[in-house]
Amino acid sequence: RKEVEQDPGPFNVPEGATVAFNCTYSNSASQSFFWYRQDCRKEPKLLMSVYSSGNEDGRFTAQLNRASQYISLLIRDSKLSDSATYLCVVNSQISGAGSYQLTFGKGTKLSVIP
Amino acid sequence: DVKVTQSSRYLVKRTGEKVFLECVQDMDHENMFWYRQDPGLGLRLIYFSYDVKMKEKGDIPEGYSVSREKKERFSLILESASTNQTSMYLCASKRFPSGNTIYFGEGSWLTVV
Repeated sequence: RKEVEQDPGPFNVPEGATVAFNCTYSNSASQSFFWYRQDCRKEPKLLMSVYSSGNEDGRFTAQLNRASQYISLLIRDSKLSDSATYLCVVNSQISGAGSYQLTFGKGTKLSVIP
Repeated sequence: DVKVTQSSRYLVKRTGEKVFLECVQDMDHENMFWYRQDPGLGLRLIYFSYDVKMKEKGDIPEGYSVSREKKERFSLILESASTNQTSMYLCASKRFPSGNTIYFGEGSWLTVV
């Protein structure tokens, strides 16, 4: 089983639509979670962290469900500028090493259409 | 403003050449990483480092080596470049041990012919 799984898409949505992405992770000891955004031929950049209580940043809402081991990203009122690939990232402690490992999903591609 | 700088953005090298990719960060981060990213395969970890002169293999270390002589600098070395190493290479850094945000450089696009 892959450690972090995402639907690769593409998700093609009209401007103004609401779109949701899910991501599942296999390591139940994972401790922190993030969504990164990557534009075409650019580096990934942090979009938002994901907290257990859920968190919102403008049009973006992230949720974490530890029991089912998935995180989600909801984008409301989609803009053309939201077109990008969204990467799910999971941070897990490496047993006995006192250090952490980041695992990236392969990303979900979003295209917002005029 | 945080900064991870990859000095070589676009390179074309011949098969068998030795290739150096340099990365410098100005955030005093302990952890540094090298990834490669290919269509359909996502980000794959090549090597990482927790401290100066320390290195650990990632998921795909074969054909690569690294060097970390100074805290701010992490170099990726392709000892003998091959065509299957044509890819985008991303350097990244983050604070130890559990710094939340990983910061990426802009990427180095390597073509091996």
